[in-house]
Amino acid sequence: DTAVSQTPKYLVTQMGNDKSIKCEQNLGHDTMYWYKQDSKKFLKIMFSYNNKELIINETVPNRFSPKSPDKAHLNLHINSLELGDSAVYFCASSQGGSESPLHFGNGTRLTVT
Amino acid sequence: QKEVEQDPGPLSVPEGAIVSLNCTYSNSAFQYFMWYRQYSRKGPELLMYTYSSGNKEDGRFTAQVDKSSKYISLFIRDSQPSDSATYLCAFFSGGYNKLIFGAGTRLAVHP
Repeated sequence: DTAVSQTPKYLVTQMGNDKSIKCEQNLGHDTMYWYKQDSKKFLKIMFSYNNKELIINETVPNRFSPKSPDKAHLNLHINSLELGDSAVYFCASSQGGSESPLHFGNGTRLTVT
Repeated sequence: QKEVEQDPGPLSVPEGAIVSLNCTYSNSAFQYFMWYRQYSRKGPELLMYTYSSGNKEDGRFTAQVDKSSKYISLFIRDSQPSDSATYLCAFFSGGYNKLIFGAGTRLAVHP
């Protein structure tokens, strides 16, 4: 009964490929996020959705496209993968409201070769 | 100037020591202050959350906020090997839930 779950846990792929990461939360939260953690462990927000509506888009390349089919799911599709996309991608959710803490999944480790 | 400064460590202490972890920030709009703990190959988990200056205690953990100096701290008393993790400070600036993280401090508590 994991609160925020992501699949796959590991993803190894070649440059130029297209891949997707899926996220689901069973906390009943309204807001979901994608964060990227680079090799230096720095966590940076990429996108945020509130009730399926995009509310934060942090100057992420157009190759990254989030999709929220419903408020419990947020997927991330990445086109034409590049070496620099190698990182750990974390999904998170929160209750909504400007000060609700985020609950994170355990991450998807993406390696582009 | 970075919005958030956090010494990445690593910090190595013996079991039982008092640990002090710190972050400074430059954005006066930050209103809510958090500490997350991240174990290796896991997601960050919320440890402490506060919105006012002063101290907040939870078991062996104390979070301290000084808004006038734009400085927050996390103290861990009687540190245990299980406390070995990366500790990330985090800040909300209001509006939509945009959580800004520090770089994280790696802590190792050795028996």
